[in-house]
Amino acid sequence: RKEVEQDPGPFNVPEGATVAFNCTYSNSASQSFFWYRQDCRKEPKLLMSVYSSGNEDGRFTAQLNRASQYISLLIRDSKLSDSATYLCVSKNTGFQKLVFGTGTRLLVSP
Amino acid sequence: GAVVSQHPSWVICKSGTSVKIECRSLDFQATTMFWYRQFPKQSLMLMATSNEGSKATYEQGVEKDKFLINHASLTLSTLTVTSAHPEDSSFYICSARRVDYEQYFGPGTRLTVT
Repeated sequence: RKEVEQDPGPFNVPEGATVAFNCTYSNSASQSFFWYRQDCRKEPKLLMSVYSSGNEDGRFTAQLNRASQYISLLIRDSKLSDSATYLCVSKNTGFQKLVFGTGTRLLVSP
Repeated sequence: GAVVSQHPSWVICKSGTSVKIECRSLDFQATTMFWYRQFPKQSLMLMATSNEGSKATYEQGVEKDKFLINHASLTLSTLTVTSAHPEDSSFYICSARRVDYEQYFGPGTRLTVT
C-alpha cells in the first residue's frame, strides 16, 4: 500500500466548476501536509500547506482530518490555467522527508 | 524567493556512459538536498538525501554505487548516474532545504538513455 494515495483521475471539468480532490495517508507519524501543483514536464510547486483547522487561499481550500488520515483540496470557479496534476504530500517531522502521492490530474475545458 | 537550478535541463546519452547532474541553490545555503526520480505518470520518488560534507543516505532499493551523490558545498550537490541504461531514463529533480526547513525544487533534468 502506498503511503499517500490519490485518485489519479483525470477529472474533466468545465470552466467555472467546483472540483474536489481527496487523499489518504497511511503513516500516522506524518505531521505536515501539503498540496503541490505539477505542470507537464515541470517541477512540482507548492500550492498550499494543509492545517487541521482547514485553510483557504483564494479559490483553493484545503482540509485535514487526522482521525481519518484524510486530506482534501477544493477548487472553486475553475480556470483553464488550473489544468495540472495536483500532488498530495506528507512530511514526517523527524526525517523531514516529503512523501508524494501519485497525483490527481485535472483538465479544465472551456 | 529561493531559487534552485539544475544543469543540464535535458540530456541524451548512450547506454553504458555516465551522466552528471548538478543541483545548485542560487541565493541560499542548503545543508540538505534531496534527489528525486519521476517516471512517466508516476509520482516523485525520493532517491537519496544529501548532506553537505557527509555521505548521502539512500532510500531502500536505490543503488548507491550506481547513483553517486556528492554534496561538496552548501550550494551544490551532484548526482552521477554511472553506466546508464535505458531503464534509467527518467525525470530527475532535486530540492534544497533552507535553514527554515522549507524545500525548494529545481526545474528537473530529463535523462534519456539510448
